[in-house]
Amino acid sequence: NAGVMQNPRHLVRRRGQEARLRCSPMKGHSHVYWYRQLPEEGLKFMVYLQKENIIDESGMPKERFSAEFPKEGPSILRIQQVVRGDSAAYFCASSPPDRRGEKLFFGSGTQLSVL
Amino acid sequence: DAKTTQPPSMDCAEGRAANLPCNHSTISGNEYVYWYRQIHSQGPQYIIHGLKNNETNEMASLIITEDRKSSTLILPHATLRDTAVYYCIVRVTGSARQLTFGSGTQLTVLP
Repeated sequence: NAGVMQNPRHLVRRRGQEARLRCSPMKGHSHVYWYRQLPEEGLKFMVYLQKENIIDESGMPKERFSAEFPKEGPSILRIQQVVRGDSAAYFCASSPPDRRGEKLFFGSGTQLSVL
Repeated sequence: DAKTTQPPSMDCAEGRAANLPCNHSTISGNEYVYWYRQIHSQGPQYIIHGLKNNETNEMASLIITEDRKSSTLILPHATLRDTAVYYCIVRVTGSARQLTFGSGTQLTVLP
């Protein structure tokens, strides 16, 4: 049973480019969470999604950031027109529908570097 | 979710028990205590959770005081691979909401 898969593991972008981060939840999980960890800082919640629905996006920056979790395929965190301050580790987590988020299973993260 | 307080750092000798404290004096009756850890550059890993009874699994033991205002995570025989940031989180279970991570405790296991 594969865990939460995130790709790419490392992503380098120049300022102004777009970054797309992908997250495949564990099999049978329908809840996905995205977190960001800036250098030397703690984990900050960004967004919580269920299939085709955004449930809580209270941690998402108001501009340039968007997330989706389509009926088929992975969840995508999209950052438009990246800036140096977006450089961080982005972690995705998933949880099963029946336990309703009792335990979150995290992926290995995507390290985004903006040049 | 109730606020938690943890020491910023602790050391432990390899092979000894590591006891990580957490204060949660404002915890309410339906809130559970969760512990996660994050080994450097990796995603957080669930360790254990409990409501009021002591809990044990293959990774650790969780001791919750009778008044539930504090708890201790015990790693019975710490190894170098247990060096990580340990997060104590209090939240209501049964509601699919996100976890809020605080600053945690940096545990360093020394050879």
